[in-house]
Amino acid sequence: EAGVAQSPRYKIIEKRQSVAFWCNPISGHATLYWYQQILGQGPKLLIQFQNNGVVDDSQLPKDRFSAERLKGVDSTLKIQPAKLEDSAVYLCASSSTGVYGYTFGSGTRLTVV
Amino acid sequence: KQEVTQIPAALSVPEGENLVLNCSFTDSAIYNLQWFRQDPGKGLTSLLLIQSSQREQTSGRLNASLDKSSGRSTLYIAASQPGDSATYLCAPVGDQGGKLIFGQGTELSVKP
Repeated sequence: EAGVAQSPRYKIIEKRQSVAFWCNPISGHATLYWYQQILGQGPKLLIQFQNNGVVDDSQLPKDRFSAERLKGVDSTLKIQPAKLEDSAVYLCASSSTGVYGYTFGSGTRLTVV
Repeated sequence: KQEVTQIPAALSVPEGENLVLNCSFTDSAIYNLQWFRQDPGKGLTSLLLIQSSQREQTSGRLNASLDKSSGRSTLYIAASQPGDSATYLCAPVGDQGGKLIFGQGTELSVKP
C-alpha cells in the first residue's frame, strides 16, 4: 500500500510571497487532514476534509491560508502572503474511518525568510 | 479546550533500561488516545491506540495505559534500544471525527 505523498519536501520563500503544498492521500481514504508543526511543538490541526467537504477549519488562519480537496482525492494547502511565523513542517494525513488507521506523510518543511 | 502535556520534554537513557513517558490531558471526555513516534525529518508513525473503554494496550516492548478519569496516559518501553531514539507524541481524540490534539512530545535518546 502506497503511503501519503507530499511535495515539495522543502521550500524556502521570502515573507509576503505565496506558496502551495500538495498532498496525495492513500487511495480510498475519505478523511484528509493538514497539520502544522512548529519546531519543538506537537502538530496542530489546520483543516480536516471528509471527501471533498470541510469538517473542521477552526484553526486555519483564513486571511492567509486556504485549502481545497478537489474530487475528494488530492489536496492543496496555500499560504498567501507568508509570514515569518509560518515557518514550520506541514503534515498531511489520511484515514479511512476518521478515528483509526491514521497515516501521515513525511511533510513539507517551509522556511520563511 | 483540550490541552495536552508531556513529561519529560527530553530523556536520555543507556541501552537496556525500562522507561516511562507521561502524558496528561485536561478534558477526560475522549474517544480514544493514540501514541505516535516521529523520527527526524519524517512523518508520524502510529504506535498504539487505546480505546476510551480500555485500560491498556500492548505491542511488543511497548505498553500504553490510560486513566481517563485522571486525564493521564503512560507509555512504557521495555529494554530500550538505540533504535527507539525518536520523539514520542501522545494525542487524545475527542470525537469520532478523529481530530488529534497533540502534546509537545518527549524526545528520547537511547545511548549504546
